[in-house]
Amino acid sequence: DAKTTQPPSMDCAEGRAANLPCNHSTISGNEYVYWYRQIHSQGPQYIIHGLKNNETNEMASLIITEDRKSSTLILPHATLRDTAVYYCIVPSENQGGKLIFGQGTELSVKP
Amino acid sequence: GAVVSQHPSRVICKSGTSVKIECRSLDFQATTMFWYRQFPKQSLMLMATSNEGSKATYEQGVEKDKFLINHASLTLSTLTVTSAHPEDSSFYICSARVPSGVGNEQFFGPGTRLTVL
Repeated sequence: DAKTTQPPSMDCAEGRAANLPCNHSTISGNEYVYWYRQIHSQGPQYIIHGLKNNETNEMASLIITEDRKSSTLILPHATLRDTAVYYCIVPSENQGGKLIFGQGTELSVKP
Repeated sequence: GAVVSQHPSRVICKSGTSVKIECRSLDFQATTMFWYRQFPKQSLMLMATSNEGSKATYEQGVEKDKFLINHASLTLSTLTVTSAHPEDSSFYICSARVPSGVGNEQFFGPGTRLTVL
């Protein structure tokens, strides 16, 4: 997988936007950026993915820089239930769909 | 989204016994499922890729004879931890690749917490 770098932890006030950065400077042209999150003691949850264009769904927005070397996951109005570890993953094209999880960012949403 | 279930959610066993964990895709067919292991305060570690109708592919360092994987149908994969020991105690999580999704969209089960006494 293309190596990704994320800050180990972040805090966010409830109701505010949470912006989680991810660096993936070695990403190649056809590799997607995926975001998952894991709430404590649960299985990971798919959030969003993108290739070049910014993407938005009911959970979050994904902003990918023009050079594709970094991206930001945005939770527009964070709630306490968004407290989780967020993983940015760039699977290699020849890896048969495998997801290799790094350490992620532990987001704490505080009242 | 697609639903993946795991059974059991929690199991406690004695050292030396074998434990089987089931992973099911409830509302879609999954030709490919994945098994992960997670130790406390650590990230998920991919153990193996389970392909329906063929042998599983194990990641480097994972003992295939200890962690037996069977993907006998398009909705069921099983992981059997053979001769379990305390060091096998962990959180085991499966995922299933969405066939209609783009490449690597996967849905995860809720996990199985294994404690070996």
